[in-house]
Amino acid sequence: EAGVAQSPRYKIIEKRQSVAFWCNPISGHATLYWYQQILGQGPKLLIQFQNNGVVDDSQLPKDRFSAERLKGVDSTLKIQPAKLEDSAVYLCASSLAGANSYEQYFGPGTRLTVT
Amino acid sequence: GENVEQHPSTLSVQEGDSAVIKCTYSDSASNYFPWYKQELGKRPQLIIDIRSNVGEKKDQRIAVTLNKTAKHFSLHITETQPEDSAVYFCAATLKAAGNKLTFGGGTRVLVKP
Repeated sequence: EAGVAQSPRYKIIEKRQSVAFWCNPISGHATLYWYQQILGQGPKLLIQFQNNGVVDDSQLPKDRFSAERLKGVDSTLKIQPAKLEDSAVYLCASSLAGANSYEQYFGPGTRLTVT
Repeated sequence: GENVEQHPSTLSVQEGDSAVIKCTYSDSASNYFPWYKQELGKRPQLIIDIRSNVGEKKDQRIAVTLNKTAKHFSLHITETQPEDSAVYFCAATLKAAGNKLTFGGGTRVLVKP
């Protein structure tokens, strides 16, 4: 089966600019996650969707980050305005819904560099 | 919330030797513990996982053990090969928190030929 798709793979922007990332989860996966992975650290959850509803966005910096999953499939993550500390890899992951569906599958990520 | 500590941060082993990575977690209600392998510039790949009702799980050269009382779990890689060189992440998830994964800080493993 096809994996999680993300685009773009790389992005370089200047601080205060805006940027958007796109994710297409594995077909049939109702749960979608966005993680931020700073160099040398483990991924940190930014937001979790179940279909088109937000389950957890407690670690999303809402003053500059936003995310949506309007039709319960693809999702976009936006940063506006970007700061230097936003330089990281943004990983999208998906999993089946359900009480015993734990396995998360990751996309290749988008490497963001803010200069 | 959950907190996951991972040790060591780097691990260098000779090819053929074993490698062990240890993680501790804080929330006793956590019930699922996956391990991911991440090669440079690539996505994290799930290599093995264990659920809280199991003490040990093995898949060829890798195994994971879980001690719920002590709230720690470990990854064991036997007969290491150069292709095992990567960063390994442990994680813990809490069903009540929507299966949200909390990751450890990672262990960079280098297998020397």
